Parts: sequence; structure tokens; C-alpha cells
Amino acid sequence: DADVTQTPRNRITKTGKRIMLECSQTKGHDRMYWYRQDPGLGLRLIYYSFDVKDINKGEISDGYSVSRQAQAKFSLSLESAIPNQTALYFCATSDPGLDTQYFGPGTRLTVL
Amino acid sequence: GENVEQHPSTLSVQEGDSAVIKCTYSDSASNYFPWYKQELGKGPQLIIDIRSNVGEKKDQRIAVTLNKTAKHFSLHITETQPEDSAVYFCAATPWTGFQKLVFGTGTRLLVSP
Repeated sequence: DADVTQTPRNRITKTGKRIMLECSQTKGHDRMYWYRQDPGLGLRLIYYSFDVKDINKGEISDGYSVSRQAQAKFSLSLESAIPNQTALYFCATSDPGLDTQYFGPGTRLTVL
Repeated sequence: GENVEQHPSTLSVQEGDSAVIKCTYSDSASNYFPWYKQELGKGPQLIIDIRSNVGEKKDQRIAVTLNKTAKHFSLHITETQPEDSAVYFCAATPWTGFQKLVFGTGTRLLVSP
């Protein structure tokens, strides 16, 4: 089984709808991240969490919110989706003091 | 804050040739530079990294070089194979006990048989 899973893998929604993307990990890592990937822009950090009680904004947090329900679960919400939030979204995890970030397979979100 | 530029955006090579991808960074405090490979339909995966106290690091067919003075670092892939075809991302971060990676815009590498 994959260490970092994301659901759904693909989602099409309409402008104004609320949507939640979920991330689960079995790696036992404390740190979790949400990134957004757009063509020609690379990956940009939306939110990150050091542990269940420590959540921080990243580079592009406007229009997004997150919830860390447990060490293993980190959800990203779009309260009112807009078309320019159409992108590929990745969750990642890492261990404190170690270098590697482990990415999930991504969720392709389309906002019509 | 940190800004990372990556070139080229696309790179086509013949199997067996070498490929070089270059990145420049702006923040002199950055001291950790990973490279990630993203295959189609998958998330990025770390392939090699380097810290600022090292000028070069090799792992089989891949190597990374770092020039702190010029603030640039490069990924070198020798004897390329079709399975090297992917999108490659460089990243940089000051190591402050937390990896707040700033990614480059990616290079799509195509290795033709």
C-alpha cells in the first residue's frame, strides 16, 4: 500500500462549491504539507503542519483552509471554489530533522 | 524570500547522451538543494540532494553540483535512458530546522530511444 494517499484523485466541481481534499499517511511523520502545482509555475506551498496543534500558512494560502484531524490525516478545503483554483494538488510528509519530503499521487481539481 | 529559476523548461536528448538542468537561487541563506523527479501521474520523488558545505555529489548516473558564489546548482544525468523521461524540479531552502522548500518551475526531459 502507498505510504501517502490522497482522495479523490480527480474532481470536477462548479464555482462556489465547497470541496475537501484529503490526505492520509502511514509513514508516522509529524510534518505534513499541501502544495499546488500549475503548469510553468512548479509547486507552491499552501499550508504546512508540524503536528496536530501547529498549522501554518504557506506562500499561497488565500482561499484555502486546512484541518489536521490526526497525525496521519491532513485535509485541504476550498470554501468557495473558483476557476483559478483549477490545479494539481499534492500532499507531502516529512520527519523532523530529516530532509526528504514524501509526496502523495496528487489530486487533479477542475473548477468550472 | 527565496526565488528559484530553472532552465531549460524542456530538454530532448537521445538515449545515451548526457542531460544537464540548471537552477539559480536568490537567497544566500539557502543551504539545502534537493532535486525531485515527477513521473506521469505520480507525485514528485527525491532523487538527490546537496548541502552548501559540499560542492558535488554523485549517485550512479546522476550528480549535482553547487556553486555558492554564483548561487547556482545543476543536475547532471549521464548515459540517459528512456525511463529518465520525466519532469525534474529543483528546490532550495534555508535549513532552519524546517524544510520550507521553494521549487523551480520544472524541466520536462524527454529521452528518445
